Amino acid sequence: AQSVAQPEDQVNVAEGNPLTVKCTYSVSGNPYLFWYVQYPNRGLQFLLKYITGDNLVKGSYGFEAEFNKSQTSFHLKKPSALVSDSALYFCARYSGAGSYQLTFGKGTKLSVIP
Amino acid sequence: GAVVSQHPSRVICKSGTSVKIECRSLDFQATTMFWYRQFPKQSLMLMATSNEGSKATYEQGVEKDKFLINHASLTLSTLTVTSAHPEDSSFYICSASLAGLAGGTQYFGPGTRLTVL
Repeated sequence: AQSVAQPEDQVNVAEGNPLTVKCTYSVSGNPYLFWYVQYPNRGLQFLLKYITGDNLVKGSYGFEAEFNKSQTSFHLKKPSALVSDSALYFCARYSGAGSYQLTFGKGTKLSVIP
Repeated sequence: GAVVSQHPSRVICKSGTSVKIECRSLDFQATTMFWYRQFPKQSLMLMATSNEGSKATYEQGVEKDKFLINHASLTLSTLTVTSAHPEDSSFYICSASLAGLAGGTQYFGPGTRLTVL
């Protein structure tokens, strides 16, 4: 089964510092990869996706992610963290060939410290 | 664009009653909608995939007679939790997909917090 893994349950970063939230994917099929953010008691908001093309994908709110085939990674990054970026971040991919079902990572809680 | 709404946002009900949750795509037509369940501090668990005009496909372990899904139009899907019990208390989230296109993205509703007393 196609899957993603988020190795960190929590990431803490100081406001103004660069942030990275890690995601790796299983090597199976074309990895259509997504990042979503969830604020408390809210649904998920789409940040960005990688389908094909440039390995560096730019998304909403200043976030970007780099698709790295050799490392099977799709880490989410932002050059300068804001306190308002504190939330739960989910990496996801399509579950299988021809399927639009998403398989989610377990989520990473990002805390930006003022 | 690509806004998905859910109603209600929060519901409290007595054990044994049924609760209906609506999911609407407001500015696009969604051929496919998905229903998820999320427990505190956990990831989303897919419950079922719903295609307009056909029966929903349920994930293994999800009782289709308990969680009734209707996808009557391209902009509306409903989830009815029948004979709800306290263990059904959870955060339910729907999403709608611009399916049919390569790389279709799922857009999520704000979620419904169900509390069964």
